[in-house]
Amino acid sequence: KNEVEQSPQNLTAQEGEFITINCSYSVGISALHWLQQHPGGGIVSLFMLSSGKKKHGRLIATINIQEKHSSLHITASHPRDSAVYICAAWYNNNDMRFGAGTRLTVKP
Amino acid sequence: DAGVIQSPRHEVTEMGQEVTLRCKPISGHDYLFWYRQTMMRGLELLIYFNNNVPIDDSGMPEDRFSAKMPNASFSTLKIQPSEPRDSAVYFCASSLLGSPLHFGNGTRLTVT
Repeated sequence: KNEVEQSPQNLTAQEGEFITINCSYSVGISALHWLQQHPGGGIVSLFMLSSGKKKHGRLIATINIQEKHSSLHITASHPRDSAVYICAAWYNNNDMRFGAGTRLTVKP
Repeated sequence: DAGVIQSPRHEVTEMGQEVTLRCKPISGHDYLFWYRQTMMRGLELLIYFNNNVPIDDSGMPEDRFSAKMPNASFSTLKIQPSEPRDSAVYFCASSLLGSPLHFGNGTRLTVT
């Protein structure tokens, strides 16, 4: 069964803190996406990865294929990072499943 | 590039009416996706196309939903007849093979 589990559901941090959001999935994915959805509703793709690690600015995404787990890290968090972060697994059977999202609030 | 363009941004209609949502993907992208987002179910993939051909429509909730992509620059998602439970935000996204998704701004559908 193609499942995606995300944690935590909600996360509140102080500006400057290091943040980690976790995503677990079932066996058989070809790619994993990290998405960001701002309060206005727009969705932006942050990363797409199938192995290893990717970095963009203060954002880092990692994936461990053996453990079927991916993490999104935000270094030196800022209030403008406040958003809902969603992981999405693209399965080999052409199925795409989404996590429920992590609502991040970064306080100044 | 203008990005993925969806129209309308908001649609309010009465139960039983036909609803047509439109999407213009980024030029050159060969994949187009339709998603639905609700509070209860989160984001769901409805259908996706590759080179204008529907590849997987197993996410389409029922026969009232249909999607077409007559050419590389245009796709529609149609609901006929619409029901209140279809109320959601519908997103279109496009991409190249192996590349990140580019989302449109979504269409907020309200069926009364």
